Amino acid sequence: KNQVEQSPQSLIILEGKNCTLQCNYTVSPFSNLRWYKQDTGRGPVSLTIMTFSENTKSNGRYTATLDADTKQSSLHITASQLSDSASYICVVSINDYKLSFGAGTTVTVRA
Amino acid sequence: ETGVTQSPTHLIKTRGQQVTLRCSSQSGHNTVSWYQQALGQGPQFIFQYYREEENGRGNFPPRFSGLQFPNYSSELNVNALELDDSALYLCASSVYMGTKNIQYFGAGTRLSVL
Repeated sequence: KNQVEQSPQSLIILEGKNCTLQCNYTVSPFSNLRWYKQDTGRGPVSLTIMTFSENTKSNGRYTATLDADTKQSSLHITASQLSDSASYICVVSINDYKLSFGAGTTVTVRA
Repeated sequence: ETGVTQSPTHLIKTRGQQVTLRCSSQSGHNTVSWYQQALGQGPQFIFQYYREEENGRGNFPPRFSGLQFPNYSSELNVNALELDDSALYLCASSVYMGTKNIQYFGAGTRLSVL
């Protein structure tokens, strides 16, 4: 069973709207939790990194939250743009090299 | 751009063959990790190299091996290819910023095994 579960698997939103992606994990203890954006045919690009003591981290229109008690994280995209269409991957880092990746949520933004 | 380049971008091999994938990292990034990403799945950690030595490995058989060179380039070698080896192979170099290890991914090599 994957230690990092993401939901929904995919979603379609209209340009300008907001959306929230969920990540539940069972990895414990962990060093940090990361959200990556992966465009089709490209490698993942880091959006946010949070240690277990951080509750929220923002990067432009992307805001990640972390609840270490419930082992849940979310990524909120505000005022979506067409360029936000991508796969968003939640990654829990146990140590510097042992990372557990979720399967990702595919976001499609339509005009 | 992340400054990490991988070659080739696409590759087709047949079962039983051997393949070498290459990665060029950013200067100063002395840690490189390799991942396998099957279609529709998240990346799976293969192994990590630090200063030319393997210092971590995921659940992959010994026919997956690697090398890291002093010029920050690295290789992933896969022997006796199997159909299930078809995937996107990602290379990531990393550097510490404060206490956080920041990874920079390449665009990947798409390997198809027929």
